[in-house]
Amino acid sequence: GAGVSQSPSNKVTEKGKDVELRCDPISGHTALYWYRQSLGQGLEFLIYFQGNSAPDKSGLPSDRFSAERTGGSVSTLTIQRTQQEDSAVYLCASSHDRGSGNTIYFGEGSWLTVV
Amino acid sequence: AQSVTQLGSHVSVSEGALVLLRCNYSSSVPPYLFWYVQYPNQGLQLLLKYTSAATLVKGINGFEAEFKKSETSFHLTKPSAHMSDAAEYFCAVSRGQGGKLIFGQGTELSVKP
Repeated sequence: GAGVSQSPSNKVTEKGKDVELRCDPISGHTALYWYRQSLGQGLEFLIYFQGNSAPDKSGLPSDRFSAERTGGSVSTLTIQRTQQEDSAVYLCASSHDRGSGNTIYFGEGSWLTVV
Repeated sequence: AQSVTQLGSHVSVSEGALVLLRCNYSSSVPPYLFWYVQYPNQGLQLLLKYTSAATLVKGINGFEAEFKKSETSFHLTKPSAHMSDAAEYFCAVSRGQGGKLIFGQGTELSVKP
């Protein structure tokens, strides 16, 4: 597609359930990033993929969070045993290049509410 | 470690007035710096970026930013605010492997008629 596509756009889930958030990056972009945006914490980096590998997972907040990328394209962020503090907007982004200074393009986000 | 600080979580200007959103960076080496805008219920859109080619960077929608090494600043300006500029603005620095972005806390811009 023309831009970074994320689904679902909105998700309401019960505490303790698992959720999967999907990201389809811009075609040909080898770098993919996940961020979390919440009122108290601003924009937080979660994980970076180059191809199917994740050389930087330093932002994942706990072992309940995991992500994978297959075929160098689509990525899935999984949150297990969701907690209320997981409520946030999860933003996916992609870039054609891997180095500092590369332009990173964002999707519109997946709004997660844990009740 | 590289980081950015945005001064002022909320800025309010009148339509037609100058917009000035402040960002200071902390870096031991020349950084790559970005400004993004986020309209309500939307993702982030790149306004402009500094990659050392020129200190005055022009972006979309009439915005520009000037890199000042002596002040470690990268403030965003626009000569005349429009109502459509009302949004949240984020300054960011590119860091580390993969060039991940580290964001400031954001500045919400309100434009009064």
